[in-house]
Amino acid sequence: AQSVAQPEDQVNVAEGNPLTVKCTYSVSGNPYLFWYVQYPNRGLQFLLKYITGDNLVKGSYGFEAEFNKSQTSFHLKKPSALVSDSALYFCAVRDGPQKGNNNDMRFGAGTRLTVKP
Amino acid sequence: SAVISQKPSRDICQRGTSLTIQCQVDSQVTMMFWYRQQPGQSLTLIATANQGSEATYESGFVIDKFPISRPNLTFSTLTVSNMSPEDSSIYLCSVAPGRQNTEAFFGQGTRLTVV
Repeated sequence: AQSVAQPEDQVNVAEGNPLTVKCTYSVSGNPYLFWYVQYPNRGLQFLLKYITGDNLVKGSYGFEAEFNKSQTSFHLKKPSALVSDSALYFCAVRDGPQKGNNNDMRFGAGTRLTVKP
Repeated sequence: SAVISQKPSRDICQRGTSLTIQCQVDSQVTMMFWYRQQPGQSLTLIATANQGSEATYESGFVIDKFPISRPNLTFSTLTVSNMSPEDSSIYLCSVAPGRQNTEAFFGQGTRLTVV
């Protein structure tokens, strides 16, 4: 069964510094990987996804993520953090298109990002 | 993309009662998913709701506690039955309108508090 792990409960960075939120995955076959952000009292917003192709994926709000097959990782990055980036970030995975796979998505535990002025 | 409307946005309920949460999508989708997010926690899949068949429940969730309806391709309901304070959570409806390589979309969630 597919799963993702987010090893850090909390990440703190100063505004203007680069940020990284870590995610590792475990799937059978080729993974479909996603990042979502959740602001307080809001639903989940899609940031970016990796399906195939270039390992560096660019998404919304200046975020990007790098797919690393050898390390089974999909870390979220941003070159220069903003205070408004402070939120809860979730990595998610869905199995590839093998026959019989459900279409559901499995989430990591979440990482709370705090960007300080 | 898909726009999902979820009702109610929040509710405070007495223990022992039931609450039905509605999820309306602006396009037809085959599968709809219901998640639970307990305070400060990640999302846990409750069940997958397919139109025309019974919902498929994940381990730890049962139909008697979380009955689901899926009368058509744009609507679903989740009922939280015989509630206890442990059911206090955010409940989220989700759809994945395309194939596995498309992102899922989420409603704003229903914040349930059981007292």
